[in-house]
Amino acid sequence: EDQVTQSPEALRLQEGESSSLNCSYTVSGLRGLFWYRQDPGKGPEFLFTLYSAGEEKEKERLKATLTKKESFLHITAPKPEDSATYLCAASAAGNKLTFGGGTRVLVKP
Amino acid sequence: DGGITQSPKYLFRKEGQNVTLSCEQNLNHDAMYWYRQDPGQGLRLIYYSQIVNDFQKGDIAEGYSVSREKKESFPLTVTSAQKNPTAFYLCATQSLQGTYEQYFGPGTRLTVT
Repeated sequence: EDQVTQSPEALRLQEGESSSLNCSYTVSGLRGLFWYRQDPGKGPEFLFTLYSAGEEKEKERLKATLTKKESFLHITAPKPEDSATYLCAASAAGNKLTFGGGTRVLVKP
Repeated sequence: DGGITQSPKYLFRKEGQNVTLSCEQNLNHDAMYWYRQDPGQGLRLIYYSQIVNDFQKGDIAEGYSVSREKKESFPLTVTSAQKNPTAFYLCATQSLQGTYEQYFGPGTRLTVT
């Protein structure tokens, strides 16, 4: 059975304090690893797709990386507006996504 | 304006009533999905459809029903058989042309009392 686990569940950061979120996955035949940002009461917003180990993607203060067993979302010098829940999902055969439980990030000024 | 629309944003119902949530898209995506999200939890798949007039059960389909009569529309009915229907419901679409990311609508928050 496909499984995606995110850690930590919650993360409190001071503005400017860089950190990383972890996404561990057990998927047969990974087609893609996805990161989303979700603000309270809203639908998830697509951030990145990673397809193979060693791949990296960047967007502003966010950088996603992928190994054969896990993905990391690095937040560099975060600002309060980076506060959100970050969701990780993996896709195997059949096009469905399996989601992790998310990491709630709070960046304090 | 392109995208995915869900309506209504908030919905209140009494126990024992069926309720239908709307999801419409103009992205010309083939696949559509319904998820349920409970407070502090990830997304759980209810139903999905990859082609018109065909759909499959997800992990938590009991108490829900769907239809896919048009490519643009994938309504979800929450029936009275669903034991704990209060939740945030999210619709997503996916192009099946080479990439696999899903795009989400704004969600409907359903409260049943």
